[in-house]
Amino acid sequence: KQEVTQIPAALSVPEGENLVLNCSFTDSAIYNLQWFRQDPGKGLTSLLLIQSSQREQTSGRLNASLDKSSGRSTLYIAASQPGDSATYLCAVSRTNAGKSTFGDGTTLTVKP
Amino acid sequence: EAQVTQNPRYLITVTGKKLTVTCSQNMNHEYMSWYRQDPGLGLRQIYYSMNVEVTDKGDVPEGYKVSRKEKRNFPLILESPSPNQTSLYFCASSPTYRNNLGLNTEAFFGQGTRLTVV
Repeated sequence: KQEVTQIPAALSVPEGENLVLNCSFTDSAIYNLQWFRQDPGKGLTSLLLIQSSQREQTSGRLNASLDKSSGRSTLYIAASQPGDSATYLCAVSRTNAGKSTFGDGTTLTVKP
Repeated sequence: EAQVTQNPRYLITVTGKKLTVTCSQNMNHEYMSWYRQDPGLGLRQIYYSMNVEVTDKGDVPEGYKVSRKEKRNFPLILESPSPNQTSLYFCASSPTYRNNLGLNTEAFFGQGTRLTVV
């Protein structure tokens, strides 16, 4: 059974810092990995999607990497801003199936 | 505006009273899915649908039913709700779960339905 772990569970940084969020998964037979952002009381917003054949994806200040063989992904946020404060979740989709498994998320607080 | 719409947003009900949470998307997506989110357990998949009339179980399907009679709608049915189904529910859709290019399978989520069963 696929298990997804995100470390740390919570992170607090001052504005302007670069930071890395981690996601690990136990079964490397994935189809893709997706990073989401969730604001309190809101739904999830997709940030980056990495196919299993890709190593990284970039969008603005965000960069996500994927090392499928070691079962790890990182989300790098450059020059963090208070508006980045949210919970970040990663999810892996299983090969040739519609099932997906989410991590518990990392709650990020960026202090002005 | 492209969106996934869930209704209701909040619902308090009593044990055993059948209820339906609706989900509708206006993006012509083939893939739709239901999740529940609980503290300490994260998001867990209940059911998903690859296309019209094609549904399958996720990790926690017990106590739930779904149907996909048309592409835009994917209702979640609780025939006999119990207090352990108190949770925050999310519906999501994607253009295609898998296409030849393996691209653009980004998921779009609804705003969530907070269900309390007493």
